[in-house]
Amino acid sequence: GQNIDQPTEMTATEGAIVQINCTYQTSGFNGLFWYQQHAGEAPTFLSYNVLDGLEEKGRFSSFLSRSKGYSYLLLKELQMKDSASYLCVRSGNTGKLIFGQGTTLQVKP
Amino acid sequence: DAGVIQSPRHEVTEMGQEVTLRCKPISGHNSLFWYRQTMMRGLELLIYFNNNVPIDDSGMPEDRFSAKMPNASFSTLKIQPSEPRDSAVYFCASSPGTDPEAFFGQGTRLTVV
Repeated sequence: GQNIDQPTEMTATEGAIVQINCTYQTSGFNGLFWYQQHAGEAPTFLSYNVLDGLEEKGRFSSFLSRSKGYSYLLLKELQMKDSASYLCVRSGNTGKLIFGQGTTLQVKP
Repeated sequence: DAGVIQSPRHEVTEMGQEVTLRCKPISGHNSLFWYRQTMMRGLELLIYFNNNVPIDDSGMPEDRFSAKMPNASFSTLKIQPSEPRDSAVYFCASSPGTDPEAFFGQGTRLTVV
């Protein structure tokens, strides 16, 4: 949706680290969200970046580069419950949220 | 607060029938969003209200879809007449003005047969 690109699927091992990348359209950009969605459930908020740099929150960190139109979500010490879809979400100047297609992460034992 | 409340949770209807989905946002939130999610297209923004006023309805697929927000605590999304291709999960989300995070309801799974 609206030039938000992220990988469709990723697989990682329990206990490992995984980075999910996202690129987005920079015109009219305000901020970048990451949401997590388990199958059959509603999306839930993970992080929000407005300024360049890394925001750390427990096992999850999110990075933003405004000039490059690039963000990533870093998940450390992966657990089986982290298997879910991770949605890169672009916020525009009007507050409108546009979701990417999501990256389905499968964590294997 | 109970969070964003949507009803019904599941709806099965016949093609051509009118369908009304309901949403109660979190009290005090002044932005409300309606999204549709399908496997093929992911989460699509249909319409966005701010202070009960529609700000952006460019995502509404066609004239069969309409949304209203008569007051700060209630919104509806109506499909008339419904078609099988409207089958999807419809999410409502709300956010406070001072914090851009959107809180989602549990969604309404609509099946049009």
